[in-house]
Amino acid sequence: GAVVSQHPSRVICKSGTSVKIECRSLDFQATTMFWYRQFPKQSLMLMATSNEGSKATYEQGVEKDKFLINHASLTLSTLTVTSAHPEDSSFYICSAQRTDNYGYTFGSGTRLTVV
Amino acid sequence: AQKVTQAQTEISVVEKEDVTLDCVYETRDTTYYLFWYKQPPSGELVFLIRRNSFDEQNEISGRYSWNFQKSTSSFNFTITASQVVDSAVYFCALSEGKTGGFKTIFGAGTRLFVKA
Repeated sequence: GAVVSQHPSRVICKSGTSVKIECRSLDFQATTMFWYRQFPKQSLMLMATSNEGSKATYEQGVEKDKFLINHASLTLSTLTVTSAHPEDSSFYICSAQRTDNYGYTFGSGTRLTVV
Repeated sequence: AQKVTQAQTEISVVEKEDVTLDCVYETRDTTYYLFWYKQPPSGELVFLIRRNSFDEQNEISGRYSWNFQKSTSSFNFTITASQVVDSAVYFCALSEGKTGGFKTIFGAGTRLFVKA
């Protein structure tokens, strides 16, 4: 149980285009989801906290207009990287907190390459 | 403020050696959760353990063991008789809150190389 599916696992896009990444909790409901970014050989840095039915809370230095987060249901949060640039190339990982507060489950990550 | 320090950037050992990965944390909260995750080259984060601040019992799971010392704010991870498959980046993480419902802060990670 407590499976989080993240899609796509890899995506290559052209500079200036937008990319949407989905994070789904498959067998539990998640009131809160988190989005992390990881640059090569670095740690995971929290980008934003996504709460179902309300606006996401962004960490300092993360552009909310560039990284659009939508958490419209208890099982789905999406991260859209708008007008992507090569410097946005990174590994993006989501995690979901179970509504029973048992803990966190991480998705398998999305490797974004902007060319 | 939360902070997690993994001072060891890289560790290289020979198979069958024991290895300990250090983790020191900072928090002003009395209720918090500590985690260890493994990240193999594929990138996926593999959950290893969660420990709450009120449970200082050490834990052993197969070749893995964890030593939680609140007095020194440390949560160290030991792999006994290491194997090549243990090669990965290991992250220690901290989450504050009664239910661990707040954001999780990760340490910088320790890259472990286990040579055959």
